[in-house]
Amino acid sequence: DIVMTQSPDSLAVSLGERASINCKSSQSVLHSSNNNNYLAWYQQKPGQPPKLLIYWASTRESGVPDRFSGSGSGTDFTLTISSLQAEDVAVYYCQQYLNTPFTFGPGTKVDIK
Amino acid sequence: QVQLQQSGPGLVKPSQTLTLTCAISGDSVSSNTAAWNWIRQSPSRGLEWLGRTYYRSKWYNEYAVSLKSRITINPDTTKNQFSLQLTSVTPEDTAVYYCARCDRQNWFDPWGQGTLVTVSS
Repeated sequence: DIVMTQSPDSLAVSLGERASINCKSSQSVLHSSNNNNYLAWYQQKPGQPPKLLIYWASTRESGVPDRFSGSGSGTDFTLTISSLQAEDVAVYYCQQYLNTPFTFGPGTKVDIK
Repeated sequence: QVQLQQSGPGLVKPSQTLTLTCAISGDSVSSNTAAWNWIRQSPSRGLEWLGRTYYRSKWYNEYAVSLKSRITINPDTTKNQFSLQLTSVTPEDTAVYYCARCDRQNWFDPWGQGTLVTVSS
């Protein structure tokens, strides 16, 4: 199984400041046949299911604000919120979809400082 | 747009069978591009993919190895829904259970609303 890890476990950022979350996979999720990274990011608010933010490591889902961006390749990825808004308080998860079982990171909690 | 509506009991006794249903609107369980998944979330295990069913000229199922002896995911084409059965449950199976769709690729969107299932006598 591909093991996903995230850092930090939690972070607190001032409104309008940048928040960065790291995700690491135990093996590369870059598929050589199409040069795509099989990595997605989700946002989960209390009492709600996860919401898809980004797929292919850097493609924003329709309707997701452009302050959210994804980067990275191979085994190391980053989700960046360029200017934190109050509504971004949530837990963020990465997920690999290269192989079954599909696996998620443990989550990073983002709060307002 | 696609919506998933979950139903099923919130309390199951140890050793019994957990059964949940996910009703699909805006898509077909028999879609040739979608896959229909069950995922659970608990403080101890985090988000855990349980398995999926999908149709590609015939029906396929894939399950997490750790649950393979206890899990069944079935499509119901007459009601456009799919179900999860997990047998011989223990308190370790207490979690919020979600259904979710994959379409062409294996990210999950949308998700059902979630069902908290507690295993307790």
